[in-house]
Amino acid sequence: GNSVTQMEGPVTLSEEAFLTINCTYTATGYPSLFWYVQYPGEGLQLLLKATKADDKGSNKGFEATYRKETTSFHLEKGSVQVSDSAVYFCALSDQGSNDYKLSFGAGTTVTVRA
Amino acid sequence: NAGVTQTPKFQVLKTGQSMTLQCAQDMNHEYMSWYRQDPGMGLRLIHYSVGAGITDQGEVPNGYNVSRSTTEDFPLRLLSAAPSQTSVYFCASSRDGYGYTFGSGTRLTVV
Repeated sequence: GNSVTQMEGPVTLSEEAFLTINCTYTATGYPSLFWYVQYPGEGLQLLLKATKADDKGSNKGFEATYRKETTSFHLEKGSVQVSDSAVYFCALSDQGSNDYKLSFGAGTTVTVRA
Repeated sequence: NAGVTQTPKFQVLKTGQSMTLQCAQDMNHEYMSWYRQDPGMGLRLIHYSVGAGITDQGEVPNGYNVSRSTTEDFPLRLLSAAPSQTSVYFCASSRDGYGYTFGSGTRLTVV
């Protein structure tokens, strides 16, 4: 079956620090990969996505590259801000198997201090 | 454009009570899903639908029912609430099955 394993948190950083959150996956078909972000008290928002190997998704200074050889989709940001404090979820959807369900990692809580 | 609307935002139930969590979307999306979010466990899929009249079970369907009589609505029914169903519930919809828009959630407490 499909599964997502994500770096455990919580992660605490100072402003302008480099952030990386590791994500690896297992899938039976050809998954699309996603990062979602959840700000306190809110629902999930799509942060970025990649649909095939070597694609790079990017948004709001965050980037992640779909690495099929290492089955990974690590999230990075070069200089975080206090407003980046949130819970980040890695997820996959395996349309190649006609499976349109999202499978989520456990989430990583990130706190950025001024 | 309201997106995905969930009601209520908060609910307290007594063990054994039943209730329906409402979810509506105005984007004409075919795909809709219900998730529960519990600390340290990410989001787990309860039920999903790929179109009106079509539903299927997800990872944790026991104790929940769904129906999809229209494209817009996808209500989640708790048949007999249990403390283990205390959670935050999210509804999501998608046009193409892989870019999902989430509602703001319903926080349910069962006492």
